[in-house]
Amino acid sequence: QKEVEQDPGPLSVPEGAIVSLNCTYSNSAFQYFMWYRQYSRKGPELLMYTYSSGNKEDGRFTAQVDKSSKYISLFIRDSQPSDSATYLCAMNKAAGNKLTFGGGTRVLVKP
Amino acid sequence: DAGVIQSPRHEVTEMGQEVTLRCKPISGHDYLFWYRQTMMRGLELLIYFNNNVPIDDSGMPEDRFSAKMPNASFSNLKIQPSEPRDSAVYFCASSLGKSIYGYTFGSGTRLTVV
Repeated sequence: QKEVEQDPGPLSVPEGAIVSLNCTYSNSAFQYFMWYRQYSRKGPELLMYTYSSGNKEDGRFTAQVDKSSKYISLFIRDSQPSDSATYLCAMNKAAGNKLTFGGGTRVLVKP
Repeated sequence: DAGVIQSPRHEVTEMGQEVTLRCKPISGHDYLFWYRQTMMRGLELLIYFNNNVPIDDSGMPEDRFSAKMPNASFSNLKIQPSEPRDSAVYFCASSLGKSIYGYTFGSGTRLTVV
């Protein structure tokens, strides 16, 4: 079993809809959580990072962390066709330097 | 800031040949990471360096893979001899300090071994 599980999708939504993405993890040592966006044939780019359980908002993006359930989420409000990409969750242990990535969820926002 | 620069962008080589992938990290970053991405296995960490010193190479799949960082502005990843199963996208990433806030990735090198 992988340490970080993520549904590969694809997840297809109409423009303007809310996109809901999530990851589950098995190792309680993970303390720092990130979401990356990866466009086709590009490298992943960091969208958001968070440490504590709870919500963090940045524009149209909201990241949620529930450490008790080992579950993290990313919500994209008012989705745009330019949001079409693969979204990867990543996490890190408290003293570590190695990010562990989920497999990514492919999102398609249709105009 | 030019970001993390990788070369070449694409590499097609025949099985058995040596392949060299190159990376220039962001100036001032002290950590450098090499990842490999495939459909089947996702992003896998191969090796990472801190201040040019290899810290963890446990992800390097076989002795055919080697990586060096001769100075703070350059690293290379070599595969010798290459095999078709090495076909993947190889990413280099760098960070300043520990990666609790994530890394900056390059655009990757797409390697095809035929």
